[in-house]
Amino acid sequence: AAGVIQSPRHLIKEKRETATLKCYPIPRHDTVYWYQQGPGQDPQFLISFYEKMQSDKGSIPDRFSAQQFSDYHSELNMSSLELGDSALYFCASSLGTGGRETQYFGPGTRLLVL
Amino acid sequence: GQQVMQIPQYQHVQEGEDFTTYCNSSTTLSNIQWYKQRPGGHPVFLIQLVKSGEVKKQKRLTFQFGEAKKNSSLHITATQTTDVGTYFCARWEVDVDEKLTFGTGTRLTIIP
Repeated sequence: AAGVIQSPRHLIKEKRETATLKCYPIPRHDTVYWYQQGPGQDPQFLISFYEKMQSDKGSIPDRFSAQQFSDYHSELNMSSLELGDSALYFCASSLGTGGRETQYFGPGTRLLVL
Repeated sequence: GQQVMQIPQYQHVQEGEDFTTYCNSSTTLSNIQWYKQRPGGHPVFLIQLVKSGEVKKQKRLTFQFGEAKKNSSLHITATQTTDVGTYFCARWEVDVDEKLTFGTGTRLTIIP
């Protein structure tokens, strides 16, 4: 069965650079969630989209922005990168919005900021 | 949302021993979900509990939701090396937010 696809899988950037992470949800899933997971930490919710509209917002820095496109894929744009942005970034998708719907996580993008 | 605390933070068991992780909240939970994350992997949904006192089983895994809906547990019988990973509980609140708030996680390691 098709899973959530994230690209790139690994990314190395320097401070103050920008990065764009991409997420392709499971076919027919209309909701996308972004999470940030630091080393040894639990995933922290950043932002979610349902039917191309932002549905909820968590601890996402103002330097980050995201959107969901007409084909339901989503991109997380990160600017003015800081060392503390180094983390695993997961995208998850679900059919329908709300926590009751099972979220399927992608393999993640490992971002390293030097 | 308020984070859910999990204990223990780490657990090392001999293969074949049982393992339990507990999830505790100071407020009543609408539901609780459990995820497993293998080392270097991504969270994988295991189960969702909704009803007070609910008990669900998946082979060697038993999930419980407390009567007061403030705590939950995951019990693994006769652990195997494939059980290695971090187990997270997660909550979301009806009509409050649409996001999952993960617990602090319990990292399980198995001694062969």
